[in-house]
Amino acid sequence: AQTVTQSQPEMSVQEAETVTLSCTYDTSESDYYLFWYKQPPSRQMILVIRQEAYKQQNATENRFSVNFQKAAKSFSLKISDSQLGDAAMYFCAYRSPNYGGSQGNLIFGKGTKLSVKP
Amino acid sequence: DAGVIQSPRHEVTEMGQEVTLRCKPISGHDYLFWYRQTMMRGLELLIYFNNNVPIDDSGMPEDRFSAKMPNASFSTLKIQPSEPRDSAVYFCASSFGGTTYEQYFGPGTRLTVT
Repeated sequence: AQTVTQSQPEMSVQEAETVTLSCTYDTSESDYYLFWYKQPPSRQMILVIRQEAYKQQNATENRFSVNFQKAAKSFSLKISDSQLGDAAMYFCAYRSPNYGGSQGNLIFGKGTKLSVKP
Repeated sequence: DAGVIQSPRHEVTEMGQEVTLRCKPISGHDYLFWYRQTMMRGLELLIYFNNNVPIDDSGMPEDRFSAKMPNASFSTLKIQPSEPRDSAVYFCASSFGGTTYEQYFGPGTRLTVT
């Protein structure tokens, strides 16, 4: 079974600085998808960025980028120019490519709570 | 697009009562997922549907939980009878199983069972 581990329960960053959130996963599959979701205090789960395992190029979405290391099974999220609105819980998630059986769901890490200091 | 819609946003009920949570997925999405979020267990999948058919319900904790999807635009999650340990935030998410794999979440229902 696949597992996702976020080893940093809490992180803090100064406004305008850069922060990196860590995520590792365990899988025997060669093709899969990885995601980062943001959950602000409103509790809405917001998709931040996704990465296809077959793509070597790291995904980027504005101030958010990932460092995907397939061999190391590592998928970290970098937030540049941090803003107060970035304060939230961040969840790393894994999904198999197939929707058959129990492979369609997202497997989440426990989350990292990010605080942004003004 | 209105996104995934869930109702109610908050529900407070007494132990033993029946609770029904509702979800309207994004139009055109053919997959629907129900998740539960607690401090102890984090986010966990309860059940998911494809084209209104339940595919995997192995995450449903007990027979007290049931879910239905009578049509492509509506799903319910029912707990009968409810217990205090069912207190959690319940999320509905939907996705399109074609070329994209992102799941889009609703705002969640915070359930409190006293």
